Amino acid sequence: GENVEQHPSTLSVQEGDSAVIKCTYSDSASNYFPWYKQELGKRPQLIIDIRSNVGEKKDQRIAVTLNKTAKHFSLHITETQPEDSAVYFCAAPTHSGAGSYQLTFGKGTKLSVIP
Amino acid sequence: DAGVIQSPRHEVTEMGQEVTLRCKPISGHDYLFWYRQTMMRGLELLIYFNNNVPIDDSGMPEDRFSAKMPNASFSTLKIQPSEPRDSAVYFCASSPRPGAGELFFGEGSRLTVL
Repeated sequence: GENVEQHPSTLSVQEGDSAVIKCTYSDSASNYFPWYKQELGKRPQLIIDIRSNVGEKKDQRIAVTLNKTAKHFSLHITETQPEDSAVYFCAAPTHSGAGSYQLTFGKGTKLSVIP
Repeated sequence: DAGVIQSPRHEVTEMGQEVTLRCKPISGHDYLFWYRQTMMRGLELLIYFNNNVPIDDSGMPEDRFSAKMPNASFSTLKIQPSEPRDSAVYFCASSPRPGAGELFFGEGSRLTVL
C-alpha cells in the first residue's frame, strides 16, 4: 500500500512570511495528490490538489508542486496570515487490484502563524 | 445539500458500554469512509463502502468494531465493548470519486471512553 511521509510536524512562521510543507509517497502509480486543512475542532477540508500531469498548481496564496521522479510534493503558502494557522494534511491514493479508492494521509503539520 | 451529517457530535461513555456512531453521506456519493483521528496516529482509515457494500475493512482495529451501511443514506460504526483506547474523533466522509477527487468530511464524533 501507499506510504506517505510528511514533514515538518510543526511549523511556526511570522505573519507575512512563507510556509512550506513537504510530503513523500511510495507508490509510483499514484496520480492524485490533495492537501487538506483542518482548523482546531473542525473537519478536514480540501484546499488544493494536483494531478500527475502537471508540475505546479496555484490558487491565490497557496501552491502545490509535484516531482514525480523524486516522488514528493509540497504545499507553499505565501504571505501567511493568522487564519492560516491549522493542521495541514497531504494525501495520496492507495492502489489496489480494484482501483484506487482510498486516500492515505500524512501525519499532519501544525502551522502556527505568529501575528 | 447539507453535507455529510454525523451524530452524535460528542459521546462520553464508560468502559464496556456499546457505542454507535451514525453517518448520513451526501446524496449521490457512492463511496463512504470511516476514519479515526488521534494525536498519536493521525487520520486512520477504518473501513470504506462502495454502493453500500464494505470493500476494505482492514483498518478496523479488532472484532469490537463493526460497521454497516443498510442503505445509500445511512451508515453506522459500532464499538462493543468500548475501551479507553478507543477515545478519538471519528470522521465519516463521502465522495463520488475518492481516488481522484475530493473527500467530503462530516463534523466528526468525539468519543471519550472513561
